[in-house]
Amino acid sequence: AAGVIQSPRHLIKEKRETATLKCYPIPRHDTVYWYQQGPGQDPQFLISFYEKMQSDKGSIPDRFSAQQFSDYHSELNMSSLELGDSALYFCASSWGGQANTEAFFGQGTRLTVV
Amino acid sequence: QQQVKQSPQSLIVQKGGISIINCAYENTAFDYFPWYQQFPGKGPALLIAIRPDVSEKKEGRFTISFNKSAKQFSLHIMDSQPGDSATYFCAASMDSGNKLIFGAGTRLAVHP
Repeated sequence: AAGVIQSPRHLIKEKRETATLKCYPIPRHDTVYWYQQGPGQDPQFLISFYEKMQSDKGSIPDRFSAQQFSDYHSELNMSSLELGDSALYFCASSWGGQANTEAFFGQGTRLTVV
Repeated sequence: QQQVKQSPQSLIVQKGGISIINCAYENTAFDYFPWYQQFPGKGPALLIAIRPDVSEKKEGRFTISFNKSAKQFSLHIMDSQPGDSATYFCAASMDSGNKLIFGAGTRLAVHP
């Protein structure tokens, strides 16, 4: 069965650079969530989209922005990168816009800022 | 402040034993409680989930017990195996909400 696809899997950037993370949800899923997970930490919710509209916002820095496109894939854009942005970034998808339905996670993008 | 409190932080169990992980919450608006399993470098994978209208749900070796009045829920892994060694996260969300709120995680090690 198709899963959530994230790219790239690994990314190394320098401070103050920009990064773009991509997420391709499971086919027919219309809802995408982004989470940030620091080393040894639990995933922290950043932002979500339902039917291409932002549906909820968490602890996402103003330097980050995201959108969901017409084919339901999503991109997380990160600018002015800081060392503290180094983390695993997960995308999850579900159907119907509610978090209380099954959400499936991708393999994540490991971002390292040097 | 952690909205979902998870314990223990780490757990060592012998093969064949029972692993028990506990979570507690305060927000009574939560109405969906999933458990995720995560291996190093991988994304969280949904194990089992429960809603407040039932007190227990079992899927294979995994059981969720839910106590609505105490605002607590727990994961029991029966006949624990070395392959179960992973980090387990409880989570909660609400019907009107759109995000999962995770517990801090429990690192489980099952020794042969």
